[in-house]
Amino acid sequence: DAMVIQNPRYQVTQFGKPVTLSCSQTLNHNVMYWYQQKSSQAPKLLFHYYDKDFNNEADTPDNFQSRRPNTSFCFLDIRSPGLGDAAMYLCATEGTAKNIQYFGAGTRLSVL
Amino acid sequence: AQRVTQPEKLLSVFKGAPVELKCNYSYSGSPELFWYVQYSRQRLQLLLRHISRESIKGFTADLNKGETSFHLKKPFAQEEDSAMYYCAPHNTNAGKSTFGDGTTLTVKP
Repeated sequence: DAMVIQNPRYQVTQFGKPVTLSCSQTLNHNVMYWYQQKSSQAPKLLFHYYDKDFNNEADTPDNFQSRRPNTSFCFLDIRSPGLGDAAMYLCATEGTAKNIQYFGAGTRLSVL
Repeated sequence: AQRVTQPEKLLSVFKGAPVELKCNYSYSGSPELFWYVQYSRQRLQLLLRHISRESIKGFTADLNKGETSFHLKKPFAQEEDSAMYYCAPHNTNAGKSTFGDGTTLTVKP
């Protein structure tokens, strides 16, 4: 059974139209991550939460925001998607004891 | 700056041949090293971590602090090993990992 669930699996949006990607987990892990992965590239960390503490990567565009209303859910909001934001977005969780990350299946975002 | 280098983008071997996927890192402090794998149409998942010193699916990885390398090895590759492999040092202080660009391994019959 999937323990980190990302919805939707595929998302198509229009240039400039806000979009929200969601991630939920059943592992009760403290840490949640959002990564952006473009074709043939490494997953690139956008931000992560340790409980409710939000940590933004220095080079994450302001266009990207995140919310974590509770332990189980985390959202990625892209306020004004550009063509360059088309990518796979990966959510991962981590239990603090082991530093191992558990990934969702990802949401593939297309921007038209 | 923290960097991870996986010099081979693509690696192709025949079934039964040894395989080594290279990983070099430049990291402050003492990171914990991981290899993650993504099989076709599956999610990214942990393959192994250096502190466990275990063999998973026949793969092992030795941390060489002097060379700052963490190469992944398997003596006899199988077709089901075909996948994308990512080396990922984890900075325990910062609470985050940096992923290499990945190596696509193809094991031919």
